[in-house]
Amino acid sequence: GAGVSQSPSNKVTEKGKDVELRCDPISGHTALYWYRQSLGQGLEFLIYFQGNSAPDKSGLPSDRFSAERTGGSVSTLTIQRTQQEDSAVYLCASSIITSNYGYTFGSGTRLTVV
Amino acid sequence: GQQLNQSPQSMFIQEGEDVSMNCTSSSIFNTWLWYKQDPGEGPVLLIALYKAGELTSNGRLTAQFGITRKDSFLNISASIPSDVGIYFCAGPSFLGNEKLTFGTGTRLTIIP
Repeated sequence: GAGVSQSPSNKVTEKGKDVELRCDPISGHTALYWYRQSLGQGLEFLIYFQGNSAPDKSGLPSDRFSAERTGGSVSTLTIQRTQQEDSAVYLCASSIITSNYGYTFGSGTRLTVV
Repeated sequence: GQQLNQSPQSMFIQEGEDVSMNCTSSSIFNTWLWYKQDPGEGPVLLIALYKAGELTSNGRLTAQFGITRKDSFLNISASIPSDVGIYFCAGPSFLGNEKLTFGTGTRLTIIP
């Protein structure tokens, strides 16, 4: 597609349940990033994928968070045993790695844990 | 770790007014980026700055890379309703050049 596509756009889940968030990057973009935006806050880096290299997971807040990127394209962010503090907007971005930080962001998934 | 402090946190202005906001850091950045986020959307890159002292314009927007490399400024002239949103500064994280550290944002509201 023309842009970065994220689904679902909104997700309400009960505390303790697992959730999966999907990101479909721009075709040809080798780099894919996940960020989290809590209410009234800036963006917090979570994880970064570049081509076939091992992902940089240094931003994941706990071992309940994991992500994978299949075939160098679609990525799934999984949060296990969700907690209320996981409520946030989860943003995915992709870029051509040589583009000097010209990320293209998706519209995000708003996750609410009740 | 690196932190980017933006001020003001929010602005309430009338249409037609000029806007100034800034971003400061305790550490040096080699690249400064300014993004705008509309409600319900992801941030969109407005301006990128790559050299200390650089002044770059994009339409009514002008941004400057501070000479100390620890700050940057964004100015919007003659504001219009579609300027409403949250403006973020960002720079490469000390954790690795591919990752960005974002400021906490300046929320711009235009009073009718």
